[in-house]
Amino acid sequence: AQKITQTQPGMFVQEKEAVTLDCTYDTSDQSYGLFWYKQPSSGEMIFLIYQGSYDEQNATEGRYSLNFQKARKSANLVISASQLGDSAMYFCAMRVAYRGSTLGRLYFGRGTQLTVWP
Amino acid sequence: NAGVMQNPRHLVRRRGQEARLRCSPMKGHSHVYWYRQLPEEGLKFMVYLQKENIIDESGMPKERFSAEFPKEGPSILRIQQVVRGDSAAYFCASSWDRRDQPQHFGDGTRLSIL
Repeated sequence: AQKITQTQPGMFVQEKEAVTLDCTYDTSDQSYGLFWYKQPSSGEMIFLIYQGSYDEQNATEGRYSLNFQKARKSANLVISASQLGDSAMYFCAMRVAYRGSTLGRLYFGRGTQLTVWP
Repeated sequence: NAGVMQNPRHLVRRRGQEARLRCSPMKGHSHVYWYRQLPEEGLKFMVYLQKENIIDESGMPKERFSAEFPKEGPSILRIQQVVRGDSAAYFCASSWDRRDQPQHFGDGTRLSIL
């Protein structure tokens, strides 16, 4: 069975500090993709970063980086230099192949509510 | 490039009515996914479609719910005889046929059942 676990319901960080949001996953598939999305209070889902299971380097996108530890099945999101606008819900998600296809649905965690304070 | 377009943004229905939610994928995307989000929860998968085909409907309730993605026009998620428990945000996502490409989400339709 596929599962994503986010154990931090809420996190607080001061502006300009770095913060790590935890995500662990469970799958027996060898090929999978890991994603992080941001959902601000306005409700839209914003893609942040992607990591493939065969990627040897950790993914980075601007202030976002993904700390991928395959043996531990973790894919933590690191946000550097937090900004007030980073306050939002953050979801970790996993995609595995569906019936041999390279694509399939996303499995989401329950999310972490990040609050950045001045 | 226009993103994933969902309409309406908000939809109010009375119990027993039908709800129709529309989704136009990003240009060039041939894969469409529907998800449901209840308050304080993550997104739950409902159905995965390609043009004229349902690929995976394992997350969709067997009764009252149906989805289509015709050759021409938007994808439609239809909920018949709505009940209070159908109140949720419904998100559509689309993607290219590439493993390393993310699913891009629309802004969602907030469905409220009176």
